[in-house]
Amino acid sequence: QQKVQQSPESLTVSEGAMASLNCTFSDGTSDNFRWYRQHSGKGLEVLVSIFSDGEKEEGRFTAHLNRASLHVSLHIREPQPSDSAVYLCAMSPSNTGYQNFYFGKGTSLTVIP
Amino acid sequence: AQTIHQWPVAEIKAVGSPLSLGCTIKGKSSPNLYWYWQATGGTLQQLFYSITVGQVESVVQLNLSASRPKDDQFILSTEKLLLSHSGFYLCAWSPHRVNTGQLYFGEGSKLTVL
Repeated sequence: QQKVQQSPESLTVSEGAMASLNCTFSDGTSDNFRWYRQHSGKGLEVLVSIFSDGEKEEGRFTAHLNRASLHVSLHIREPQPSDSAVYLCAMSPSNTGYQNFYFGKGTSLTVIP
Repeated sequence: AQTIHQWPVAEIKAVGSPLSLGCTIKGKSSPNLYWYWQATGGTLQQLFYSITVGQVESVVQLNLSASRPKDDQFILSTEKLLLSHSGFYLCAWSPHRVNTGQLYFGEGSKLTVL
């Protein structure tokens, strides 16, 4: 079973400064990676999806994937207080037909004005 | 546009009492459906998934069961709640025929077992 570790557990940044979040996974069977955001007591909102090594940008959110080093990161450009939430990385192995999804525990991001 | 609705929004139940949580997806035919559970401060865990009516696969055993009585409905239930069932339950769907692994989540149901 895929194990997903996120770091840091919590992060505080000032409004406008870059926020960087990290995610490592236990094996290279997944080829389907996503970053989600969860505001307190709410459902998950997908931010960016990435399927191959390299970079994928969606607005202010950029994901970097390096499957050789089992690492995917999320960078948030010009974060705002409304970006304060828990950020979850998730992955799904293609050999399960994308029926099984594995999530990290999350990074709690606080953006201070 | 597709919408996903979960009910109830929140529930407080006694240990040993029954539970039923529901999820309805509108605007999408034959979706894949999922139930996830998140303990307070814990990791989101996939409990069940279903690719068609009447067929449900269990991923994690938590003394819960799931059923898909209609194409657009997914039910999570148990006859007897445990304290460990407390947490946040999320229903999600993904496209069936063109499955790129994208999950769309409902707003969740918060369960407190006392």
